[in-house]
Amino acid sequence: GQQLNQSPQSMFIQEGEDVSMNCTSSSIFNTWLWYKQDPGEGPVLLIALYKAGELTSNGRLTAQFGITRKDSFLNISASIPSDVGIYFCAVNTDKLIFGTGTRLQVFP
Amino acid sequence: DAGITQSPRHKVTETGTPVTLRCHQTENHRYMYWYRQDPGHGLRLIHYSYGVKDTDKGEVSDGYSVSRSKTEDFLLTLESATSSQTSVYFCAISATGGKGYTEAFFGQGTRLTVV
Repeated sequence: GQQLNQSPQSMFIQEGEDVSMNCTSSSIFNTWLWYKQDPGEGPVLLIALYKAGELTSNGRLTAQFGITRKDSFLNISASIPSDVGIYFCAVNTDKLIFGTGTRLQVFP
Repeated sequence: DAGITQSPRHKVTETGTPVTLRCHQTENHRYMYWYRQDPGHGLRLIHYSYGVKDTDKGEVSDGYSVSRSKTEDFLLTLESATSSQTSVYFCAISATGGKGYTEAFFGQGTRLTVV
């Protein structure tokens, strides 16, 4: 089946640092999505990308739809404690498929 | 918040017993999904539905069945629960799938423990 390889698996950073994570696949997709899951909650959509090469921002978050349509990147600038959580990439082909997630810990 | 409710929120059951989890939505969305979440595996799709009585398998469907007799309800049944099915189960809904993308909304999750 389709597989989304997400890296890194986990990150431990200091408050104020920037964060980068990515998601790759062997298949081409028309939409890339980034979700965040807070502890004890369901995932919530952060950013949606619809076009190859597209760069979209949501506050301190910036995501890019890779030009090959096989990958996507998420950057978080100037991290704060509430950024803690698990970040998932996802693609929607009727089957909404998620990556394995990147667990982010932010230390003051 | 999207109108999506999972029940029960927590359940402990014995190995070999059948278990049914319910997902109820008030958004009239066409697509509904069931996922399980386990450490190191992220969210894995069990089954999904693209309309009333229209369902299809996900990547980890063995041991699970689903039913959708009306738009608002999507039931996940563990025919004979095993310890490997101990997990947190999430339901999600979406107005469209495929090329017609819209955001997917998630329920609060059901923590199932099989002893």
